[in-house]
Amino acid sequence: AAGVIQSPRHLIKEKRETATLKCYPIPRHDTVYWYQQGPGQDPQFLISFYEKMQSDKGSIPDRFSAQQFSDYHSELNMSSLELGDSALYFCASTHSLANEQFFGPGTRLTVL
Amino acid sequence: EDQVTQSPEALRLQEGESSSLNCSYTVSGLRGLFWYRQDPGKGPEFLFTLYSAGEEKEKERLKATLTKKESFLHITAPKPEDSATYLCAVRPSNDYKLSFGAGTTVTVRA
Repeated sequence: AAGVIQSPRHLIKEKRETATLKCYPIPRHDTVYWYQQGPGQDPQFLISFYEKMQSDKGSIPDRFSAQQFSDYHSELNMSSLELGDSALYFCASTHSLANEQFFGPGTRLTVL
Repeated sequence: EDQVTQSPEALRLQEGESSSLNCSYTVSGLRGLFWYRQDPGKGPEFLFTLYSAGEEKEKERLKATLTKKESFLHITAPKPEDSATYLCAVRPSNDYKLSFGAGTTVTVRA
């Protein structure tokens, strides 16, 4: 069965640089969630989109923005990167009529 | 505010030694309680959804149960491949995002 696809899988950036993370949801899923997971921590909700509109917002810094496109894929844009942004970033997708969120393999971002 | 507390933080088991993980939650109306398995550096893998008190779900050596205040994940006769971090998450009835617990890291020795 098709799963959530995230790219890139690994990303190394310098402080103050920008990064773009991409997420391709499971086919026919219309809702995408972004989570950040620091070392040894549980995933923290950042932002979500339903039918290309932002549906909820969590603890996402103003330096970050995201959007969902007409093919339902989503991109998380991160600017002015800080050392503390180093983490695993997960995308999860679901169909709006379901409850279960299915997670992608994550993007490991390292900020040097 | 929704809260999810998992215990213990870590669990070391001998192969075949059954045990249970606990997830206590406080939520404004439960839409669903979810169990995930996470291997190091990988995304959480969906295991179960529980909706109401008294509900039980099973998958291989895992069984999840739910009460009004907590959920248990029972691991029966575990094998080394069951070693992972098990995450519990809740979704309130008036929201879509998941609130996770800190997880229980299970290590099963052969």
